[in-house]
Amino acid sequence: SQKIEQNSEALNIQEGKTATLTCNYTNYSPAYLQWYRQDPGRGPVFLLLIRENEKEKRKERLKVTFDTTLKQSLFHITASQPADSATYLCALGSGNTGKLIFGQGTTLQVKP
Amino acid sequence: GAGVSQSPRYKVAKRGQDVALRCDPISGHVSLFWYQQALGQGPEFLTYFQNEAQLDKSGLPSDRFFAERPEGSVSTLKIQRTQQEDSAVYLCASSLDSVSDQPQHFGDGTRLSIL
Repeated sequence: SQKIEQNSEALNIQEGKTATLTCNYTNYSPAYLQWYRQDPGRGPVFLLLIRENEKEKRKERLKVTFDTTLKQSLFHITASQPADSATYLCALGSGNTGKLIFGQGTTLQVKP
Repeated sequence: GAGVSQSPRYKVAKRGQDVALRCDPISGHVSLFWYQQALGQGPEFLTYFQNEAQLDKSGLPSDRFFAERPEGSVSTLKIQRTQQEDSAVYLCASSLDSVSDQPQHFGDGTRLSIL
């Protein structure tokens, strides 16, 4: 069955460092991958989209890579800030409907 | 407001009762999704509408779950004869059109607790 794994442990880093979150998947061939941020008690908020024919996408301090051979995406936040503390979700999609399959999320804590 | 609105924000029901959860998507958004999120987990897909047509209901856990979007805007998720395992946050999301990789805009969810 399809399986998506994100960093199982919470990630704690110091302010100013780069945070790297991983998303691995098996038994799936996604056409695209999206990353979302979720704060406690709130709905997920879209951050970045990367398609299967793209290797890397950037947006301000965010960078996403997508390796369809390794079946892995990496999500980087450079110059991290305490305000970046949240849960980050990767989501895979394919087909025609926009249905997303989410990982379980990684909680990031950036300490000042 | 400009975002996806869900109501109620919290719902407590006794086992066996029926509940109805409402979603107001962003105006003009064609696609609407319902997800279920258990504590500490990512959202799990329930069902998808394109306008008023329910095109995918493969994620609905049982025939006690029913969703509708009769006029292609507001949607309601109904759960009949609720069970304790139905306790979760129910998220609604909408996207602008039917292109599959569009960003989804989520509401803040309804937290359902079944006693």
